Amino acid sequence: QKEVEQNSGPLSVPEGAIASLNCTYSDRGSQSFFWYRQYSGKSPELIMFIYSNGDKEDGRFTAQLNKASQYVSLLIRDSQPSDSATYLCAVKRGNNRLAFGKGNQVVVIP
Amino acid sequence: DVKVTQSSRYLVKRTGEKVFLECVQDMDHENMFWYRQDPGLGLRLIYFSYDVKMKEKGDIPEGYSVSREKKERFSLILESASTNQTSMYLCASGYRDRAAYNEQFFGPGTRLTVL
Repeated sequence: QKEVEQNSGPLSVPEGAIASLNCTYSDRGSQSFFWYRQYSGKSPELIMFIYSNGDKEDGRFTAQLNKASQYVSLLIRDSQPSDSATYLCAVKRGNNRLAFGKGNQVVVIP
Repeated sequence: DVKVTQSSRYLVKRTGEKVFLECVQDMDHENMFWYRQDPGLGLRLIYFSYDVKMKEKGDIPEGYSVSREKKERFSLILESASTNQTSMYLCASGYRDRAAYNEQFFGPGTRLTVL
């Protein structure tokens, strides 16, 4: 089993809809989880960090963490064309390292 | 604003050449990282450093070495470039020992092509 898995293919959503991204991780002891956004040709930038079980909201973004089921998700409400990007899930490893998933591409259709 | 800079945005080298990629950060971060990013494979850690002159292998260190002589600077070296090292190289930095929170800040990336 891969350390961090993002299995969904490209996600197309109409403008104004909710985009939902999922990520599973293998290490049950993992405690910190990150969502990065990467625009085409650019480097990743952090958009959400979550540590505790439950939901964390920041503007139109909501991160959801379920440690018992070992998944973390990202919801983008009222999706905008500017949200079109690849979203990377990352899990904190030892020595302050991060393990990244392969990413999910989101395309918001005007 | 955190700034992580990389020496080149685009680089073209020939097989067998020695290649240096340099990364500089201005936030006094202890940790620095080198990744490569390839389609379908995601971000993979090559090497990281948690202090000056300290380094640890990441997931794919073969064919690479690193140097950290100053806290703000972390270099990735390809001793003898090969075509399978054609990739996007991303440098990142972050604070050490911030408990749960360990944001990494990324540089703009260097797209290396080895011919």
